[in-house]
Amino acid sequence: KQEVTQIPAALSVPEGENLVLNCSFTDSAIYNLQWFRQDPGKGLTSLLLIQSSQREQTSGRLNASLDKSSGRSTLYIAASQPGDSATYLCAVKSNDYKLSFGAGTTVTVRA
Amino acid sequence: EAGVTQSPTHLIKTRGQQATLRCSPISGHTSVYWYQQALGLGLQFLLWYDEGEERNRGNFPPRFSGRQFPNYSSELNVNALELEDSALYLCASSIPLGQETQYFGPGTRLLVL
Repeated sequence: KQEVTQIPAALSVPEGENLVLNCSFTDSAIYNLQWFRQDPGKGLTSLLLIQSSQREQTSGRLNASLDKSSGRSTLYIAASQPGDSATYLCAVKSNDYKLSFGAGTTVTVRA
Repeated sequence: EAGVTQSPTHLIKTRGQQATLRCSPISGHTSVYWYQQALGLGLQFLLWYDEGEERNRGNFPPRFSGRQFPNYSSELNVNALELEDSALYLCASSIPLGQETQYFGPGTRLLVL
């Protein structure tokens, strides 16, 4: 059974600082890995998807890396803004297409 | 283009009742997924439908069931509701065979009293 862990559980930074969010998974036989953002009481917004054959993906201020062999992914958010405050979820899709989620990292960016 | 829609947004039921939640996928998406997000438990995979068939299910009892209609919309039914079924239920859709990004709806918040 795939286990996904996200560290830290919560993070508070001043505006402008770079954010580093970590995700680890136990079974390296994955199909892809996806990072989502969730605002309180709302659904999920997809941020980045990394296929198992890829090492990283970038979108604007966001960059996500994937090291399948070590079971790790890192989401970097450059020059954080108060609007980046949200919970960030890492999800790993196994080869049976089941998506396993981490518990999330709650980010607060202080103005 | 319209995103994934879910109805109702909120639902209040009492123990033992049945709840029906609905989801309409993005146009062109044939796969629909259901997830439960209970307080303190994180997102848990419930069910996956594609082309009208149930393709996979998570570790939930049989009283959680659903179906997918010919227009690819989907229903999630929860029978014999228990207090711990109170949660945010999220639906997501993707292109065929679940190979790509899943797009999520805003969710239905179910409260069981």
